[in-house]
Amino acid sequence: DQQVKQNSPSLSVQEGRISILNCDYTNSMFDYFLWYKKYPAEGPTFLISISSIKDKNEDGRFTVFLNKSAKHLSLHIVPSQPGDSAVYFCAASPDNYGQNFVFGPGTRLSVLP
Amino acid sequence: SQTIHQWPATLVQPVGSPLSLECTVEGTSNPNLYWYRQAAGRGLQLLFYSVGIGQISSEVPQNLSASRPQDRQFILSSKKLLLSDSGFYLCAWSRQNSYEQYFGPGTRLTVT
Repeated sequence: DQQVKQNSPSLSVQEGRISILNCDYTNSMFDYFLWYKKYPAEGPTFLISISSIKDKNEDGRFTVFLNKSAKHLSLHIVPSQPGDSAVYFCAASPDNYGQNFVFGPGTRLSVLP
Repeated sequence: SQTIHQWPATLVQPVGSPLSLECTVEGTSNPNLYWYRQAAGRGLQLLFYSVGIGQISSEVPQNLSASRPQDRQFILSSKKLLLSDSGFYLCAWSRQNSYEQYFGPGTRLTVT
């Protein structure tokens, strides 16, 4: 049973518009959430994170929202740029500093010029 | 600055052959180290993690093993590869008491 779900395998967005990537989790013990971005044939790179004590974290064009009651988080990218085209992974961990990270299956974002 | 190296970048091995993938980290000490696998069309699966030399925890029972002979060296091995071992293998590191992991470039393994 997948503990971290990203139900949209792919998403296409026009350049300049907002991209919204969603992630749902089932384990209420998860305490820390991260988003990673991955280009083909490369390792993922860390993008942004959020602790369960917050409901929003912002870093430039990237904002992550957390709804603990719904066990849902989302990544907003605005404005979207062609270089944002990649696979985005949501990851969750209980409070043990990443030793039991669970990754979602990823969402492939395509930003169209 | 910290860097993480993985090699080889690609590998094609026959079924039943052994495997050794190496990962090294520079510019930090006493990191947590991780091995992940990404099968085709799927997310990242944590295989092993290590919080120190000789300390290995396995997340998934499998045909693979890991070792950490030095502080910044992490090795993924198999005595006999299976077809199902094909995938993209990623090494990652994190600081102690930190959630953020930093990934290497990965190794594409094809078992034929």
